Amino acid sequence: AAGVIQSPRHLIKEKRETATLKCYPIPRHDTVYWYQQGPGQDPQFLISFYEKMQSDKGSIPDRFSAQQFSDYHSELNMSSLELGDSALYFCASSLDARAFFGQGTRLTVV
Amino acid sequence: QQQVKQSPQSLIVQKGGISIINCAYENTAFDYFPWYQQFPGKGPALLIAIRPDVSEKKEGRFTISFNKSAKQFSLHIMDSQPGDSATYFCAAVAAGNKLTFGGGTRVLVKP
Repeated sequence: AAGVIQSPRHLIKEKRETATLKCYPIPRHDTVYWYQQGPGQDPQFLISFYEKMQSDKGSIPDRFSAQQFSDYHSELNMSSLELGDSALYFCASSLDARAFFGQGTRLTVV
Repeated sequence: QQQVKQSPQSLIVQKGGISIINCAYENTAFDYFPWYQQFPGKGPALLIAIRPDVSEKKEGRFTISFNKSAKQFSLHIMDSQPGDSATYFCAAVAAGNKLTFGGGTRVLVKP
């Protein structure tokens, strides 16, 4: 069965650079979520989209933005990167309450 | 403030033993309670889930017990195996909104 696809799997950026993370949800899923997970921490909710419209917003810095496109894929754009942005970034998608996660993008800011 | 409190933070159990992880919540709007299993460097994987109109759900070696009046729920892993060594997160969802995770429990099953 198709799963949530995230790209790239690994990304290394320098401080103040910009990064774009991509997420391809499971087909026919109508909701996409983005989470950030620091080492040894639980995933922290960033933002979600329902049917391509932003549906909820968590503790997402103003330097970050996201959108969902007509083909339902989503992108998380991160600008002016800081060392503290280094983390695993997960995308999840759901049709009902069951959310399925991708394998994540490990972002390292140096 | 953690809306879903999970304990213990870590757990060591012998192979064949029972792992028990507990979670408590405050928001009565939560209506769906999944558990996720996460291996290092991997995404959380949905393990089992329950709704508050059910007091217990069992899938294989994994059982969720739910106490609506106490606003608590727990995961029991029976006959724990070394392959079960992972971090387990409880979560709660309100009306199809975002997942709110507990702090996680790192489980180590010793051979």
